[in-house]
Amino acid sequence: DVKVTQSSRYLVKRTGEKVFLECVQDMDHENMFWYRQDPGLGLRLIYFSYDVKMKEKGDIPEGYSVSREKKERFSLILESASTNQTSMYLCASSTGYSNQPQHFGDGTRLSIL
Amino acid sequence: SQKIEQNSEALNIQEGKTATLTCNYTNYSPAYLQWYRQDPGRGPVFLLLIRENEKEKRKERLKVTFDTTLKQSLFHITASQPADSATYLCALAAGNQFYFGTGTSLTVIP
Repeated sequence: DVKVTQSSRYLVKRTGEKVFLECVQDMDHENMFWYRQDPGLGLRLIYFSYDVKMKEKGDIPEGYSVSREKKERFSLILESASTNQTSMYLCASSTGYSNQPQHFGDGTRLSIL
Repeated sequence: SQKIEQNSEALNIQEGKTATLTCNYTNYSPAYLQWYRQDPGRGPVFLLLIRENEKEKRKERLKVTFDTTLKQSLFHITASQPADSATYLCALAAGNQFYFGTGTSLTVIP
């Protein structure tokens, strides 16, 4: 089974801090994704990557950046955390192109105080 | 941008009945549509994919339909069980973006 592991289940940070969320997948998937999930808004795509060192903006990239130095690892960076970035963050991976199922981690619940 | 609507935020049904969830989309004609299940505190889990040239897809007690004219997919769970209680999400790819609906929370009452 595909395993997508997110480094933390819960994280509390302060406004203005630089925050790193890490995601690792163990199935050699080409594609990796970062979403945030908020009540009433559902899952929204922040960034995705189809290859090492490659990134594409999703629907809501503002305030975020990503890094993919190795195929199995995709990091989401909040450059200067703000309270409106308090959310559940979900990482996913998939093989091939966009018609393939995505495999999700269990999420990081991030609170910015 | 793509908009995906799922019929209701919450749906309660009696055990043994068929649950029907709706997913409507606009602004694009996707080649396929996916359905996921999400349990509290967990990430979504893929259930089914249906392509635009497939009118219907089945997997055990699950059935998905895809009407590209109506821009709608229906997700059915037959002989529902309390263990089917979860949030169900539909999703589609538009260009190189991936969009999820907000989900429908299903509760199956024993």
